[in-house]
Amino acid sequence: AQSVAQPEDQVNVAEGNPLTVKCTYSVSGNPYLFWYVQYPNRGLQFLLKYITGDNLVKGSYGFEAEFNKSQTSFHLKKPSALVSDSALYFCAVTRRGTNAGKSTFGDGTTLTVKP
Amino acid sequence: DGGITQSPKYLFRKEGQNVTLSCEQNLNHDAMYWYRQDPGQGLRLIYYSQIVNDFQKGDIAEGYSVSREKKESFPLTVTSAQKNPTAFYLCASSSSLTSGSYNEQFFGPGTRLTVL
Repeated sequence: AQSVAQPEDQVNVAEGNPLTVKCTYSVSGNPYLFWYVQYPNRGLQFLLKYITGDNLVKGSYGFEAEFNKSQTSFHLKKPSALVSDSALYFCAVTRRGTNAGKSTFGDGTTLTVKP
Repeated sequence: DGGITQSPKYLFRKEGQNVTLSCEQNLNHDAMYWYRQDPGQGLRLIYYSQIVNDFQKGDIAEGYSVSREKKESFPLTVTSAQKNPTAFYLCASSSSLTSGSYNEQFFGPGTRLTVL
């Protein structure tokens, strides 16, 4: 079984401040981890992923995330938030291995950046 | 212009009717997925397919059916057995990795189904 927890339904930050959106996961074996963003009435867009290698991964729009195996976390970060970053963010995990086609998504975190 | 298309964007259905949602991709991806999204509940997996002519039930398959006769297409039928079908439906696809698992998913724009 695999699961993802996004402990905060809502994150509010001021424009220009750093932001963090939290994600923890549970999976048997080694994980592949993903972050997606969704704007209202749209499909999800891929932001970044951890497959293997460097624990700090950089993605689109200045976002980055750090894979921490001991804490089973994959928090999304950005040094300086923009109002346009306001959206719904999803973390997802996939088990590594043959026929591991199923991804599990968290419930999402709504990020609001205020000017 | 590559990507995933879903049609229609909005769909209205009377109770007791079956309805089919279209999903097409030209990304040459092996895997395709259907999700249901309700407010405050994130994405829930309905069905997924890793290869043509094969598919597996997700977490909430009851009342839904799918087919995968072509690599490019993965239509979802919402049957009258689905008790609460009003939701936003998202289709996605992904490529396979050498490890045997799958890469990030590309999502379509979604279909909003409303039962009248």
